Amino acid sequence: ETGVTQTPRHLVMGMTNKKSLKCEQHLGHNAMYWYKQSAKKPLELMFVYSLEERVENNSVPSRFSPECPNSSHLFLHLHTLQPEDSALYLCASSLGLVHQGADTQYFGPGTRLTVL
Amino acid sequence: GESVGLHLPTLSVQEGDNSIINCAYSNSASDYFIWYKQESGKGPQFIIDIRSNMDKRQGQRVTVLLNKTVKHLSLQIAATQPGDSAVYFCAERSGGYNKLIFGAGTRLAVHP
Repeated sequence: ETGVTQTPRHLVMGMTNKKSLKCEQHLGHNAMYWYKQSAKKPLELMFVYSLEERVENNSVPSRFSPECPNSSHLFLHLHTLQPEDSALYLCASSLGLVHQGADTQYFGPGTRLTVL
Repeated sequence: GESVGLHLPTLSVQEGDNSIINCAYSNSASDYFIWYKQESGKGPQFIIDIRSNMDKRQGQRVTVLLNKTVKHLSLQIAATQPGDSAVYFCAERSGGYNKLIFGAGTRLAVHP
C-alpha cells in the first residue's frame, strides 16, 4: 500500500453519463496529480494541484474536470466521454513539487474506466 | 477490430541473474529521473530516483546509472527474483510543476 487510495477501482459508463473518480492520500502530501494510462500511449500527466490550487493543465479536454477540495482529496469529474477515453486513470501525490526529497510521486492503484 | 497497443520490449532473465533495463530520455535539461515498477492490476510503484548532479545511486538490490552525455538511464536489478516480474517505467522531469515524462516501459519476465 502506498497511502494513496482510489475509488472506484472499475467503472463502466455510457457516453452521456456523468461520473466522478475519487482519490485520497493519507501521506500528508501537498501536491496531487491525475495521470492517464491507455493501451496506446505511455503514461501521461493530466493535471497537477499544489495546496489545492491547479498549477498544470496538460491540454486536457474540458470533458475532464478536476477538483481538489483539500490537500488530501482529489476528484476527476467525467461527462460526455468518448470510447477513446477508456483507460486506467491514476492518481499520485508528493510532499511538494520541486524540493529535493519531497518531490517523489507515489501512485494509487488506479480506476479502470470503460466508456461504451 | 482489435486495438493496437504499445509494443513493450521484453527482457527475459533467469531467476538469480542480474537484470539491466535501459531507457533513453529526450531532454538534456531534465533534472530528475525516476524508475517505477508496475505489476498487473496495480499502480506504478516507486523503485529509485536520481538527480542530474549524480551518475549513480544504489538502493536495495537496485542501482540506477545516469549517463547525461548520451541521455541514457539504466536500472540494474541484482539477483532477480520471480517477484520482480513486472513492467518497468523510467521517467524524466522536464519543466513544469514536477511534470514527469514517462517512457513506454519494458516488461521484465523472470523464469525459474
